[in-house]
Amino acid sequence: AQKITQTQPGMFVQEKEAVTLDCTYDTSDQSYGLFWYKQPSSGEMIFLIYQGSYDEQNATEGRYSLNFQKARKSANLVISASQLGDSAMYFCAMREGIRDDKIIFGKGTRLHILP
Amino acid sequence: DTGVSQNPRHKITKRGQNVTFRCDPISEHNRLYWYRQTLGQGPEFLTYFQNEAQLEKSRLLSDRFSAERPKGSFSTLEIQRTEQGDSAMYLCASSSADRGGWTQYFGPGTRLLVL
Repeated sequence: AQKITQTQPGMFVQEKEAVTLDCTYDTSDQSYGLFWYKQPSSGEMIFLIYQGSYDEQNATEGRYSLNFQKARKSANLVISASQLGDSAMYFCAMREGIRDDKIIFGKGTRLHILP
Repeated sequence: DTGVSQNPRHKITKRGQNVTFRCDPISEHNRLYWYRQTLGQGPEFLTYFQNEAQLEKSRLLSDRFSAERPKGSFSTLEIQRTEQGDSAMYLCASSSADRGGWTQYFGPGTRLLVL
């Protein structure tokens, strides 16, 4: 079974609009971490935001916020005021348990920002 | 603070040849990870080190793959007798304890093409 599900293979959004990228996860651990990474065409994975399973507040980093709904096992990324430079692949990922041995990635969503 | 660096950025080789990739982590990061990413997929975990100790290896890491991290600094990933199925992006990441829950920071990757 997939641990991380990103149901939107691609999205087109008008510049300056807000965009929500969906992510659901599956784990039986009580302690886990959720990440979002951005991968431009150059290939580098850029860390955007992190949410711990015990964090009560939704994480925010500048224009990025993570809409964490624990009961629904959902960790959507919200980008406010999108910019042309936001066009990229976006990956949701999870670290299970308290050990940090690996991150499990979803298949990604390709975001296109239209001028 | 310089980021994670990887060399070479691109490698083209013929089937059956050996290749070696290098990763230099962020200084003082004691954990180093290798991932492989094929086209249209998210990265998949291969192995990770804490200092010089290799703590986990994925089943994806066949006997033809070997990774080292002598002295707990840079790491090398060697693929022997390359096959066309080894063509992928090889990503390195590093981490250390921080408020972000051992957030992994990635390098630019090495794109391998096996002809």
